[in-house]
Amino acid sequence: RKEVEQDPGPFNVPEGATVAFNCTYSNSASQSFFWYRQDCRKEPKLLMSVYSSGNEDGRFTAQLNRASQYISLLIRDSKLSDSATYLCVVNTDSNYQLIWGAGTKLIIKP
Amino acid sequence: DVKVTQSSRYLVKRTGEKVFLECVQDMDHENMFWYRQDPGLGLRLIYFSYDVKMKEKGDIPEGYSVSREKKERFSLILESASTNQTSMYLCASSFPPAREADPLTDTQYFGPGTRLTVL
Repeated sequence: RKEVEQDPGPFNVPEGATVAFNCTYSNSASQSFFWYRQDCRKEPKLLMSVYSSGNEDGRFTAQLNRASQYISLLIRDSKLSDSATYLCVVNTDSNYQLIWGAGTKLIIKP
Repeated sequence: DVKVTQSSRYLVKRTGEKVFLECVQDMDHENMFWYRQDPGLGLRLIYFSYDVKMKEKGDIPEGYSVSREKKERFSLILESASTNQTSMYLCASSFPPAREADPLTDTQYFGPGTRLTVL
């Protein structure tokens, strides 16, 4: 079992719709959680950190479910520019290493 | 803004050649990382360094070595390139982790990547 698992997609979603995807992690001691966004042929960039209480940043909402060991990302009113691959990232024990999911590809269609 | 630069965007080398990939960051970050990214596998950590002249193996160090002589510069070396090392190579940097998990210090900043093809 991979340490961090994501549905690779692609998720094909019409513009303006709401889309959500999850990421599961295997290590219950994981402490920090993130969503990164990676555009085609570009480097990953931090989208948002995921806090225990959940957090929102504009159209984006991230949630953490420790009991079931998953994090989620919800995108409301999706835009064409949201098309990208979304990477789930987990840090365990405050060490130097992040564990990366393989990413979920999102395609927003006009 | 944090800036992480990599020496080349695209590189083509032949099997057996020695390859140097360089990464420079301007944010005075202690930690630096080298990953490779392949389709369906996500980012895999090759090596990382948490201080000058310090290095630690990541998940897939075989066939690679690194050098950190200055804080801002972290080099990845392929001693004898092989075709299975064809990949996208990404360098990243970050601050050291806080005593408690802290998303701000855990954030990694990436360079634009080097797409290496070994023929």
